[in-house]
Amino acid sequence: DTGVSQNPRHKITKRGQNVTFRCDPISEHNRLYWYRQTLGQGPEFLTYFQNEAQLEKSRLLSDRFSAERPKGSFSTLEIQRTEQGDSAMYLCASSTAGTGSKNIQYFGAGTRLSVL
Amino acid sequence: GDSVTQMEGPVTLSEEACLTINCTYTATGYPSLFWYVQYPGEGLQLLLKATKADDKGSNKGFEATYRKETTSFHLEKGSVQVSDSAVYFCALSDRDSSYKLIFGSGTRLLVRP
Repeated sequence: DTGVSQNPRHKITKRGQNVTFRCDPISEHNRLYWYRQTLGQGPEFLTYFQNEAQLEKSRLLSDRFSAERPKGSFSTLEIQRTEQGDSAMYLCASSTAGTGSKNIQYFGAGTRLSVL
Repeated sequence: GDSVTQMEGPVTLSEEACLTINCTYTATGYPSLFWYVQYPGEGLQLLLKATKADDKGSNKGFEATYRKETTSFHLEKGSVQVSDSAVYFCALSDRDSSYKLIFGSGTRLLVRP
């Protein structure tokens, strides 16, 4: 169990550029979540996958954002035409399916995006 | 919709002092409740959890009891250490909403020697 891995750890980009982040969940976890955390706030839910199916998207996820999880393994989050308001920490978490103890989400260290 | 409210920080304590961080929630269903901790420069880590009313979660000397009647899940520790300095997040998840976590805004704890 190597934990949830996110790459890159930091990304600096200019406004209007596209960026893509990657998340590798814990290998046996079939649920994967993306969250966004701005300074001084708690993480906010963006989207959720069960295996390869994207089952829920937050209204925070504008049409400039897209997420994929091909083959139910790693996931990518792409932001097109970045804006300064997109600057935040993007967190990925994974869990097994089920209830109670099986539903604990384990978080990666995050990708910090700075849009100049 | 569901929400979590926790006390604002920062909370500054001397080593060995008692800690309470208040957390209340609003939920339509029967959520599970969590405390996550974020140490400087690190990712979120689960500290403790409770899945039903009257459950007590505990870990590393921290405790929290799921109180349905007061919709609360306050975090407590009898004697804090400098190493407990971190940001603490209260959160809930509900099976009716994909088990996504809904977080409070976080409470920064600073423990001085």
